[in-house]
Formats: sequence, C-alpha cells, structure tokens
Amino acid sequence: DAGVTQSPTHLIKTRGQQVTLRCSPKSGHDTVSWYQQALGQGPQFIFQYYEEEERQRGNFPDRFSGHQFPNYSSELNVNALLLGDSALYLCASSLAGLNTEAFFGQGTRLTVV
Amino acid sequence: KNEVEQSPQNLTAQEGEFITINCSYSVGISALHWLQQHPGGGIVSLFMLSSGKKKHGRLIATINIQEKHSSLHITASHPRDSAVYICAVRYGNKLVFGAGTILRVKS
Repeated sequence: DAGVTQSPTHLIKTRGQQVTLRCSPKSGHDTVSWYQQALGQGPQFIFQYYEEEERQRGNFPDRFSGHQFPNYSSELNVNALLLGDSALYLCASSLAGLNTEAFFGQGTRLTVV
Repeated sequence: KNEVEQSPQNLTAQEGEFITINCSYSVGISALHWLQQHPGGGIVSLFMLSSGKKKHGRLIATINIQEKHSSLHITASHPRDSAVYICAVRYGNKLVFGAGTILRVKS
C-alpha cells in the first residue's frame, strides 16, 4: 500500500501564475482533505472532497479550488498566485465518518517568487 | 485566538528524559489526533483519541474530555524522537491544528 502520495514534491511558480497539485489517497479511502501549512505554523484546513463534491471549506479565497475524480484522487488548484501562497500543501485521506483516522502525504512545497 | 493551544512551543530534552507535551482546545470535539512531523514535511499520525488513554511503544496519549485537555508523553526519550509534535482536533469534517511543539532530544 503506497499510502497517500502527492505530486509534485516541490514547485516554484511566479506571482500571477496558476498551479495544480495532485493527491492520490490511501487505498480504500474515499475522502480527501487539503491543508496549507505556512512556515512555523500548524496546517490550516482548505477544503474536503467526498463523492466528487466539496463537502466543507475553510477560510480560503475562491482562488483556491479543487476537484475529486471517480477514483477518489484529488487536485488542488490555485489561481493568481500570491507570494503569501508559498507554503507546504498537505493532502490527507480518510474514510467517510466522524472518527476515522487521517493519513497524510509528504506534501508539496510551493514557492511563489 | 487559535482554537487549539499547545505547550510548550519548544522543548529541549536530554536523552532518556520523560517528556510531556500538552494540548488544550476550546469547544467540544469528536476526536483528537497527535501527529509527528519531521523536517521535509511529512506528517505521521501517532494517535487518535476520543477518550481515556492510548499507548504505543514509548508513547502515551491521554485525553480529558471534561477539561478539554490532552497530553502526549514520551518515555525514555531518544534523539530520533526529535520532531515537531502537533495536536489536531476534529470538528465535524475538518481537523483544526495546533501550532506544534518543536522537540529536540540531545544525546
């Protein structure tokens, strides 16, 4: 079992560009959550996808959007990148339900210059 | 104000010491997670608690639902325990994270 895999691992983009990050959940998991972790801080919830729909969203602007595919993999898209979007983006997968354990990927380190 | 508060923010210990990291949260939750993050970013789940106490090897996690407080203990600490330890609470479908405790264990 490969666990949660994210790609790419590192990415450098220019202000104003758009970026797509990808996540494959742990085998058998149907729910994918995305988090942004700025340097020295705890992760912040961006949104969660289940059954190909956004189920819950954190306090992030509409520049942040996502998608979940029928195979449960997910993408995070960020448009009009700002310097402040530089962070580690983490994907976590789980089974639907309130008290299921979340498994995290290694993250994608995004640097906006 | 963060809904999840961890203490201490930084902790340096000598190898073999007993370590305690604390986590307090402000509202009712369905579960609490203790996570470990090494340099480079990857997060590993250590425990998920709804009540009581769990033990895995040298790690022990406890939670007091009434007091909205949890602790992570490391017995006989080792330099390989050096990492960031993060408390996260589950509110509905999302996890809310503390800022983390940076632990350094010296040999």
